[in-house]
Amino acid sequence: ETGVTQSPTHLIKTRGQQVTLRCSSQSGHNTVSWYQQALGQGPQFIFQYYREEENGRGNFPPRFSGLQFPNYSSELNVNALELDDSALYLCASSRRTSGDTDTQYFGPGTRLTVL
Amino acid sequence: KNQVEQSPQSLIILEGKNCTLQCNYTVSPFSNLRWYKQDTGRGPVSLTIMTFSENTKSNGRYTATLDADTKQSSLHITASQLSDSASYICVVTPNDYKLSFGAGTTVTVRA
Repeated sequence: ETGVTQSPTHLIKTRGQQVTLRCSSQSGHNTVSWYQQALGQGPQFIFQYYREEENGRGNFPPRFSGLQFPNYSSELNVNALELDDSALYLCASSRRTSGDTDTQYFGPGTRLTVL
Repeated sequence: KNQVEQSPQSLIILEGKNCTLQCNYTVSPFSNLRWYKQDTGRGPVSLTIMTFSENTKSNGRYTATLDADTKQSSLHITASQLSDSASYICVVTPNDYKLSFGAGTTVTVRA
């Protein structure tokens, strides 16, 4: 186990709805990254939060947004859900010190199905 | 176009045999290259991490190599076990931290 937890494990939504996914990072970690993984594909970087601020974003539209809290847990919010948003959403926590990023530890993921 | 390409897409090997997975990347410059193992329905787990100046890194029966000149990396699995059945993902970290993931190689180990 990596110490990173995500909730819920599975979720079914309909097109146009909004969803919030949650991630609790490993103790001592200050950085959380979110990824979308379509079936049979590698994870795609959505964005990263470092000390409660967005610190880099992948090629995802603004309807994908996030938050990081003072305890370094994080939320991923997706508005106006589309069918193509169906995927496994992974969060990964790490501990960034002065320079490089430490190894990322992944949670088990949230499987989102949009109907 | 994905900046990290992995091959083969999938492979089947017999228990006890060795195999080598390939990763070619175009990301440059980069901070480090990692190999992850992802079991079906689970999050990826780190196997190895190498900076651009390292050539090889081992973790038990897993050995990763890196050739920064040709922008190639490989992951060698020795004496495969049934529990090695998983997807193996190559990840390159550029300096802006926007990690680039390969699509993965699915390894199936059969008894």
